[in-house]
Amino acid sequence: AQSVTQLDSHVSVSEGTPVLLRCNYSSSYSPSLFWYVQHPNKGLQLLLKYTSAATLVKGINGFEAEFKKSETSFHLTKPSAHMSDAAEYFCVVSDQNQGGKLIFGQGTELSVKP
Amino acid sequence: EAGVVQSPRYKIIEKKQPVAFWCNPISGHNTLYWYRQNLGQGPELLIRYENEEAVDDSQLPKDRFSAERLKGVDSTLKIQPAELGDSAVYLCASSLAPPNTQYFGPGTRLTVL
Repeated sequence: AQSVTQLDSHVSVSEGTPVLLRCNYSSSYSPSLFWYVQHPNKGLQLLLKYTSAATLVKGINGFEAEFKKSETSFHLTKPSAHMSDAAEYFCVVSDQNQGGKLIFGQGTELSVKP
Repeated sequence: EAGVVQSPRYKIIEKKQPVAFWCNPISGHNTLYWYRQNLGQGPELLIRYENEEAVDDSQLPKDRFSAERLKGVDSTLKIQPAELGDSAVYLCASSLAPPNTQYFGPGTRLTVL
């Protein structure tokens, strides 16, 4: 079965410092992986997705993630945090055997201090 | 291009009352999803439609939940009767045929008292 584990429930950084949100996945075949962001009282927005092309995936707002098969990881990074990045971030795997059903991690809340 | 539209945005009801949520997907998206997001957790799929057909409703609690997607466009999710444990955010998403990217609406926050 497909699953994802987000290793931190909460991450706090200072504005202008790097962001690292960690995600490990479990999949019996080559997965499709996503990062979504959810701002308070807003819908989920796709940041980026990996679908077996380049292992380094660039997304919106300066975020990127690297697919590492050997480590079964798909960590999200950003070189310099901005106050507007404060939100809940979800690592997601798509189950291709179930019509692309999305399986979400528990989420990581990112706080950005001025 | 308009995104996924949901209404109402917030709903507060007494337990045992019925409630309904409405979703209008992105134009041209034939696949529609309903998710439930409990507090502090990631969303979980309730039901997936391909056009007007429910192709995956294995996670839908059928004793009290029902859904429909007449004409393969708008969809309604209903709970009757609501229970305290149904308090959550109900999210609608749409996409072209899977495994295309799913686009989410803002959700309906349900509080059952």
